[in-house]
Amino acid sequence: DAGITQSPRHKVTETGTPVTLRCHQTENHRYMYWYRQDPGHGLRLIHYSYGVKDTDKGEVSDGYSVSRSKTEDFLLTLESATSSQTSVYFCATGTDNQPQHFGDGTRLSIL
Amino acid sequence: EDQVTQSPEALRLQEGESSSLNCSYTVSGLRGLFWYRQDPGKGPEFLFTLYSAGEEKEKERLKATLTKKESFLHITAPKPEDSATYLCAVIHTGANSKLTFGKGITLSVRP
Repeated sequence: DAGITQSPRHKVTETGTPVTLRCHQTENHRYMYWYRQDPGHGLRLIHYSYGVKDTDKGEVSDGYSVSRSKTEDFLLTLESATSSQTSVYFCATGTDNQPQHFGDGTRLSIL
Repeated sequence: EDQVTQSPEALRLQEGESSSLNCSYTVSGLRGLFWYRQDPGKGPEFLFTLYSAGEEKEKERLKATLTKKESFLHITAPKPEDSATYLCAVIHTGANSKLTFGKGITLSVRP
């Protein structure tokens, strides 16, 4: 158990509203990642962090922002949610030369 | 750009019927190939890491192998509890620990 907690686990919201998803880890891992998982696409990287206040974009970063002010917390924000952002979002953590470990996901529906 | 292709998309086996899942990859400078298992409603769970061609790893009924172009996950005498989606991912040198995932293979084992 990599000690990853995602919150909320489920959320339904409306188009145009801001949404923030939280990932909390207890393992003090350097790297943290946000993915989305959609049928037919698999897991795709949105943003990742390689240290406090150090973040970078993944392959599907448009419409998303992230922040990491503490080692243990990594926030994903949808500034103005759209229906295309309905998905299951996974947080993962990792260290150099070690495999990533994943949380159990947040199911987000945008109506 | 790293590419990972998994086949078949879905596989149905009878309990005890051995088979293999394929993961083909194109990557410049492979640093590692990872296999994960994902159960419905859960995050991916790490199974194996393979680093170089010829390497093999085993865990219970699963054995992962690696060549320069592909990896196989061999399942010997599967049981219904082996039913899950199996994900393959690669990381290349200089990727800052970013993984590229395949779309996954959904395995169903009938009793």
